[in-house]
Amino acid sequence: EDQVTQSPEALRLQEGESSSLNCSYTVSGLRGLFWYRQDPGKGPEFLFTLYSAGEEKEKERLKATLTKKESFLHITAPKPEDSATYLCAVQVGGSQGNLIFGKGTKLSVKP
Amino acid sequence: DTGVSQDPRHKITKRGQNVTFRCDPISEHNRLYWYRQTLGQGPEFLTYFQNEAQLEKSRLLSDRFSAERPKGSFSTLEIQRTEQGDSAMYLCASSPKRGLAGGDTQYFGPGTRLTVL
Repeated sequence: EDQVTQSPEALRLQEGESSSLNCSYTVSGLRGLFWYRQDPGKGPEFLFTLYSAGEEKEKERLKATLTKKESFLHITAPKPEDSATYLCAVQVGGSQGNLIFGKGTKLSVKP
Repeated sequence: DTGVSQDPRHKITKRGQNVTFRCDPISEHNRLYWYRQTLGQGPEFLTYFQNEAQLEKSRLLSDRFSAERPKGSFSTLEIQRTEQGDSAMYLCASSPKRGLAGGDTQYFGPGTRLTVL
């Protein structure tokens, strides 16, 4: 069964304290891996798409990387406005494109 | 490009009532997805449209749920005889044709929060 597991469930950081979020996946054939940010009461906001092992994408303080079994979202020198839930999702090859999500990591950054 | 919009943003209903939600995708996106998200969980896939054709339905979509996308534009999701277990955030997402730039990426709307009393 295709599955996505995110860890940790929650992460508390001080402003400026860099860290990484993990997304491990088990799928029959990966078409793409997606990272989204979700603020309370809102829909997920697209961050990155990764397609192949070794690929990296960056946006401001965020950097996403991909291996054959997992993806990491690295947060460098986070600010309080980075506080949100970060969702990882996979798209399986041969499917109609629906996303399979993990439960997310809730990030809190304290000033 | 105004993004995906959903209406209403919040809906409170009594058990047994019918409710209908609307989603307007990004213009020219031919693919549209519905998901459901409960507290502390990631979104779960419900159904998928390519243009006006409903091509996939999750087993989560019971007989009380029906979705349409007339003329391949906006979509509606109806829940009949609502139950308390239907309380959730209902999210709509759209994406462009596969093969185009960003064709795999889904862009989500703000969601409709349903509360069944």
